[in-house]
Amino acid sequence: EPEVTQTPSHQVTQMGQEVILRCVPISNHLYFYWYRQILGQKVEFLVSFYNNEISEKSEIFDDQFSVERPDGSNFTLKIRSTKLEDSAMYFCASSRSSGGLTYNEQFFGPGTRLTVL
Amino acid sequence: SQELEQSPQSLIVQEGKNLTINCTSSKTLYGLYWYKQKYGEGLIFLMMLQKGGEEKSHEKITAKLDEKKQQSSLHITASQPSHAGIYLCGAATGYSSASKIIFGSGTRLSIRP
Repeated sequence: EPEVTQTPSHQVTQMGQEVILRCVPISNHLYFYWYRQILGQKVEFLVSFYNNEISEKSEIFDDQFSVERPDGSNFTLKIRSTKLEDSAMYFCASSRSSGGLTYNEQFFGPGTRLTVL
Repeated sequence: SQELEQSPQSLIVQEGKNLTINCTSSKTLYGLYWYKQKYGEGLIFLMMLQKGGEEKSHEKITAKLDEKKQQSSLHITASQPSHAGIYLCGAATGYSSASKIIFGSGTRLSIRP
């Protein structure tokens, strides 16, 4: 069964360093998302991406964050200068296109646990 | 902004018993997702409900979206240890395929053998 994959599973970095989190969405999906979950808190939306551009972003997704689809399979989240409060589990999700007003299930990857020291 | 409230926050049930988890939205739901999460792991998609009155089942798990589309319930029949985990409800914020999901705080389910 197709699934969303993410690498690495765990990333430890020093405050101020740049990190890139990688995701491979399900192959025929066209909509991509990043969410994060700080330990003990709700899963929060960061950004959605379609047709090589951002569809929507939350207030969390400030100038320190960027997303990219560098090739036909990968979808990346970059944090330019990490802060302690960026420590969280980051989830990538994808959904297939739809032809009308219906929307589709979002399938999540296993997550990358980011620890900023 | 839309808020989702889940109840109960945690639940311990004897193996074999039935249970129900509720999710109430502060606004009308365009669609309601149910996911299961094991601690520290990813979200496993269970089902999505769109229409008021809609009911879906996945193995021994059944979810229903109420007619007024502001509440959903998840019912597990004859619970098993494999059902243990955190159940999250999520609301689609629009009809677009790119609509984000707003999540509830989750219900932590433990199964007592």
